[in-house]
Amino acid sequence: QVQLQESGPGLVKPSEILSLTCSVSGVSTSSYYWGWVRQPPGKGLEWIGDVYYTGSTNYNPSLKGRVTISGDTSKNHFSLELTSVTAADTAVYWCVRGRYFDLWGRGTLVTVSS
Amino acid sequence: DIVMTQSPDSLAVSLGERATINCKSSQSVLYNSNNKNYLGWYQQKPGQPPKLLIYWASTRESGVPDRFSGSGSGTDFTLTISSLQAEDVAVYYCQQYYNTPYTFGQGTKLEIK
Repeated sequence: QVQLQESGPGLVKPSEILSLTCSVSGVSTSSYYWGWVRQPPGKGLEWIGDVYYTGSTNYNPSLKGRVTISGDTSKNHFSLELTSVTAADTAVYWCVRGRYFDLWGRGTLVTVSS
Repeated sequence: DIVMTQSPDSLAVSLGERATINCKSSQSVLYNSNNKNYLGWYQQKPGQPPKLLIYWASTRESGVPDRFSGSGSGTDFTLTISSLQAEDVAVYYCQQYYNTPYTFGQGTKLEIK
């Protein structure tokens, strides 16, 4: 059974770095695109970016260069780093597979607050 | 960026009746070389991640009931639920994956009348 599982701190201070990891089981990350989507409370969905198994990445320009996504095929996981966070980055973060997202993690709420 | 606009924002339909949600993209998401529309539909229930229903505008994801169907091409798309069931109450989103940044519609909230 294919599963994605996000992990990382649920609380991050303003101006610090938000770091999440997505552990993948049941399928190798040595294929497909692997990415991140977020949803602020009560709002819509925003694609953050993705990493291809080759290591190439795509990011949403709305995040203004604050985002880095990387993959580790040996550990079968991939990661998200978002720098200089503000309250506007408070959201549920999901890891996803593909360009249309056929697999989703359960999601993790990250709150940015001092 | 490709802007995705859904209509209506909310919709109330009686059980057993048809529900129709529209999605319009600000530019075509039809890739001429393979004649595929890079458009997906998702269903999101409270406290859950979105669930993929439809991809390539009209291909139903495995396990999705056949009362869900997608249609359209180019810039105009429709998600149809042929006979609304109670478990279909949710927010529905369209998404383009024609180019990055991938973008979603604002969502349509579907309720029972």
